Amino acid sequence: DTAVSQTPKYLVTQMGNDKSIKCEQNLGHDTMYWYKQDSKKFLKIMFSYNNKELIINETVPNRFSPKSPDKAHLNLHINSLELGDSAVYFCASSQDPRREETQYFGPGTRLLVL
Amino acid sequence: SQQGEEDPQALSIQEGENATMNCSYKTSINNLQWYRQNSGRGLVHLILIRSNEREKHSGRLRVTLDTSKKSSSLLITASRAADTASYFCATPFGGNQFYFGTGTSLTVIP
Repeated sequence: DTAVSQTPKYLVTQMGNDKSIKCEQNLGHDTMYWYKQDSKKFLKIMFSYNNKELIINETVPNRFSPKSPDKAHLNLHINSLELGDSAVYFCASSQDPRREETQYFGPGTRLLVL
Repeated sequence: SQQGEEDPQALSIQEGENATMNCSYKTSINNLQWYRQNSGRGLVHLILIRSNEREKHSGRLRVTLDTSKKSSSLLITASRAADTASYFCATPFGGNQFYFGTGTSLTVIP
């Protein structure tokens, strides 16, 4: 009965590879998010997405792209991985972001680029 | 940047003591939220305080908000070892985004 789940939990890959991280929420929320947490625990939003609008943080390289097959899923695809992409990536969801309410986070995916 | 900042960055206390951490932010907000992150886990929502509220309680948690100073504090009373975690404040921005602070790492020594 996990609310927000992510796979894989750990991802180790070589520089230059393309990888995807999957996220699913069973809360019926309309909006999902991707965050990147660096080694200093700084948490930065990358994308917010609902079925009407994708908002991209302007600092996110275009090698990163969110893909949403349906309202319950928001996957993160990363092309040409770089060493600096190593971080923990969190998926989150919320019911109605216009009301600026609580976000529910997944357990995170720990990405290590070698 | 509308990023919040927590203070202190790290805090170590004995079990049973109270822990206070602070958050400062830069712009007007409708609400401010506190989250906890246990080691190796995702963030968990603790409490939300709205801009028209000055104080809010939830169990052993007490949150205050001073919009004139653009600051908030989180007090954990009678701390337990299980409270060991990082604590983040978050402020909404643009209706569908949140800015998180840099976090306070709390260690409660049994």
